[in-house]
Amino acid sequence: EVQLVESGGGLVQPGGSLRLSCAASGFTFSSYAMSWVRQAPGKGLEWVSAISGSGGSTYYADSVKGRFTISRDNSKNTLYLQMNSLRAEDTAVYYCAKGEYSGSYLFYFDYWGQGTLVTVSS
Amino acid sequence: DIQMTQSPSTLSASVGDRVTITCRASQSISSWLAWYQQKPGKAPKLLIYKASSLESGVPSRFSGSGSGTEFTLTISSLQPDDFATYYCQQYNSEWTFGQGTKVEIK
Repeated sequence: EVQLVESGGGLVQPGGSLRLSCAASGFTFSSYAMSWVRQAPGKGLEWVSAISGSGGSTYYADSVKGRFTISRDNSKNTLYLQMNSLRAEDTAVYYCAKGEYSGSYLFYFDYWGQGTLVTVSS
Repeated sequence: DIQMTQSPSTLSASVGDRVTITCRASQSISSWLAWYQQKPGKAPKLLIYKASSLESGVPSRFSGSGSGTEFTLTISSLQPDDFATYYCQQYNSEWTFGQGTKVEIK
């Protein structure tokens, strides 16, 4: 059974940093791309970042480019999101999601974690 | 960037109704479109991928169609468990979600 468990959320002041983790199990982690998606309170889904199975390719939404860094440790089956220079508008539930390939390099998200809440406020 | 626009934003329907949600892409995305269902306080759940492929375990009353820039999600006979918010997502060029369609009880 695929399981994705996020952790690391919490309250942080504007300008601060936070690192999210996503522990994966039930599949061969290194074979799949992974992604982070966020949802601000009462709002829709926003894709944040994605990473290939090897970690060699990374992708970022314009809203977080230069501030967030996605990474993975395939030996620990864990996905990370390092968030720096946090702003009030980064307040959201952050979900990690497993990528499923549909075509040679395109992927959608077939499994999602339960999410972790990040609140940026003074 | 590819923009995704869903309509309607809210839909009121009764159990047993046939429900259709539309999703439009700002440029062609071929069939690289997924649909997700989300209930309050829960993670999204994949329903449809590649525009019309039903994810394993998803009831057959859900179906998807379309290609290029116009897509639809249809629920053939709305069930009590289907009241939720639905999102389309393109994955042709990075990833973009529609703004969501809330299906509520009439």
